[in-house]
Amino acid sequence: DQQVKQNSPSLSVQEGRISILNCDYTNSMFDYFLWYKKYPAEGPTFLISISSIKDKNEDGRFTVFLNKSAKHLSLHIVPSQPGDSAVYFCAASLSRGSRLTFGEGTQLTVNP
Amino acid sequence: EPEVTQTPSHQVTQMGQEVILRCVPISNHLYFYWYRQILGQKVEFLVSFYNNEISEKSEIFDDQFSVERPDGSNFTLKIRSTKLEDSAMYFCASSQVLGFSEKLFFGSGTQLSVL
Repeated sequence: DQQVKQNSPSLSVQEGRISILNCDYTNSMFDYFLWYKKYPAEGPTFLISISSIKDKNEDGRFTVFLNKSAKHLSLHIVPSQPGDSAVYFCAASLSRGSRLTFGEGTQLTVNP
Repeated sequence: EPEVTQTPSHQVTQMGQEVILRCVPISNHLYFYWYRQILGQKVEFLVSFYNNEISEKSEIFDDQFSVERPDGSNFTLKIRSTKLEDSAMYFCASSQVLGFSEKLFFGSGTQLSVL
């Protein structure tokens, strides 16, 4: 199942700098996109989402950008903090509330 | 903050044995889900459950799997005859409302190891 893909297994950034996590999808029927964060020994927790009718959604330090023509979304974290170190999953669904299709995840490490 | 509780955190079983994974969803939630993540692979949807019925299930959720809400608080996933490939982290999730993916809360997972 390659419908949602995160090509970077890991990303390392310095504290205070921007973290950019990328996600690509192939199913043009996806209508809703989410980012989840996961710490070790915990379940995924919701971070931010975006509907396909928007191209940007912002929540504090977190911004998600959606490029529908390229079937690409990205998560920007500015400024990055050591506590942001976690695995970040991109997920997509056919509608808001329907089953989620996840990407592989990207391990973000923010160095002090 | 309310949370979804899963027990046990780790379970080891022999191939062919039945296992029951238990979840206590958040108390006022009505919609329940199971997802799993095989080591090194993606988190995958298994099943959704509402009003004592399966709402949706994936191709993975075959006749070996079943879900139940035996009482007002627990939500269980049963695997009747486990296979080696069932080894995975199983996540339970719950939601109070339908139609809001961001309102989905996940438990910490049960790591199932089939030997």
